Amino acid sequence: EAQVTQNPRYLITVTGKKLTVTCSQNMNHEYMSWYRQDPGLGLRQIYYSMNVEVTDKGDVPEGYKVSRKEKRNFPLILESPSPNQTSLYFCASRRGGHEQFFGPGTRLTVL
Amino acid sequence: AQTVTQSQPEMSVQEAETVTLSCTYDTSESDYYLFWYKQPPSRQMILVIRQEAYKQQNATENRFSVNFQKAAKSFSLKISDSQLGDAAMYFCAYRTIGGSQGNLIFGKGTKLSVKP
Repeated sequence: EAQVTQNPRYLITVTGKKLTVTCSQNMNHEYMSWYRQDPGLGLRQIYYSMNVEVTDKGDVPEGYKVSRKEKRNFPLILESPSPNQTSLYFCASRRGGHEQFFGPGTRLTVL
Repeated sequence: AQTVTQSQPEMSVQEAETVTLSCTYDTSESDYYLFWYKQPPSRQMILVIRQEAYKQQNATENRFSVNFQKAAKSFSLKISDSQLGDAAMYFCAYRTIGGSQGNLIFGKGTKLSVKP
């Protein structure tokens, strides 16, 4: 089944404790992105990647890092999480100009 | 910079009736994609319908159709014969064609309630 998977789905952590949210897709897509969703703000792009070893900042990249060492994986790293990074995070992928597939979301709470 | 505006934070419709959700956008591009996504309580983002700006014909998908007015930069979603399962957040989104941008730009969403 074609899909984008994210782990964990839910995470509660404390300020300053490094964490990684994994994202994997099995569709051989070149493009992958991370978004955060906050009430009243819609979804905003954090980082995106056009292909392996090619990443770039989106609209709200501060406090986040990404890497793209393999085509299928695009982890999101929070080196020192803060409460304002409490949000719902989505990973997404697509091939060329085609439909974007979203993962199921990761609900992150930073205390 | 491109922006997407959804002016209706909440809408309500009676089951079996028709509802229209509004979306306007701002861009200087001539070619782009527009989308409507549905987000039910499960939080999954589901593509409802997609429109290429170079196509004059409005896209339709079963009970869902759009009214695409390129000159007015308007992209409304019409849901006919509304069903209880249509209750969700609906997001309008824009994406440039080509170039290095994979960025979907979203509106803030419209919460649709369906009354039985």
